Amino acid sequence: QQQVKQSPQSLIVQKGGISIINCAYENTAFDYFPWYQQFPGKGPALLIAIRPDVSEKKEGRFTISFNKSAKQFSLHIMDSQPGDSATYFCAASSLAGGYNKLIFGAGTRLAVHP
Amino acid sequence: DSGVTQTPKHLITATGQRVTLRCSPRSGDLSVYWYQQSLDQGLQFLIQYYNGEERAKGNILERFSAQQFPDLHSELNLSSLELGDSALYFCASGGLGVQETQYFGPGTRLLVL
Repeated sequence: QQQVKQSPQSLIVQKGGISIINCAYENTAFDYFPWYQQFPGKGPALLIAIRPDVSEKKEGRFTISFNKSAKQFSLHIMDSQPGDSATYFCAASSLAGGYNKLIFGAGTRLAVHP
Repeated sequence: DSGVTQTPKHLITATGQRVTLRCSPRSGDLSVYWYQQSLDQGLQFLIQYYNGEERAKGNILERFSAQQFPDLHSELNLSSLELGDSALYFCASGGLGVQETQYFGPGTRLLVL
């Protein structure tokens, strides 16, 4: 019940295209859903996050769509750029009690070709 | 740069040995989280400390232990090392409130031979 499933494992997109990464979770106690971006040799960095009381959150070219009933959320990267080439991780946690134990998806390796 | 520092950057050791990984959180952050990243297990939460106290435990092996000191830096101790412990170990820091961002350090790459 702790699992977060992420797809696809890898993604190739042309410059200017839309990258879409999907995640699904099982634990209905999860109430915080961040996306992290990781470049080779670096630690993950928070990209954008959403709480389940909203269905969509947009920050620049990055949008999270959230479907509470389906227990799914996705990351959309609009106008994808070569600089977006990285590994993306979705995660989930329950913030109740102050425990922010992040459960990560397996990651999606994104390559944006010029 | 996240403001979280980890030392050493790389560590090569032999099976059966013990190592200590060190993490200094961002200024003002009271929480420290440890994660293990491996090819087969992905990114896994190990343990969280808040202001010196253990707050949450994940899939941390009994051979592993951690502590957070009064100056808020944290150490992760890995003992009786096995080949399968080879991985990237990340420390993250943050607060305790709702929607608190976790800021990850650059990681320590451990290779057990």
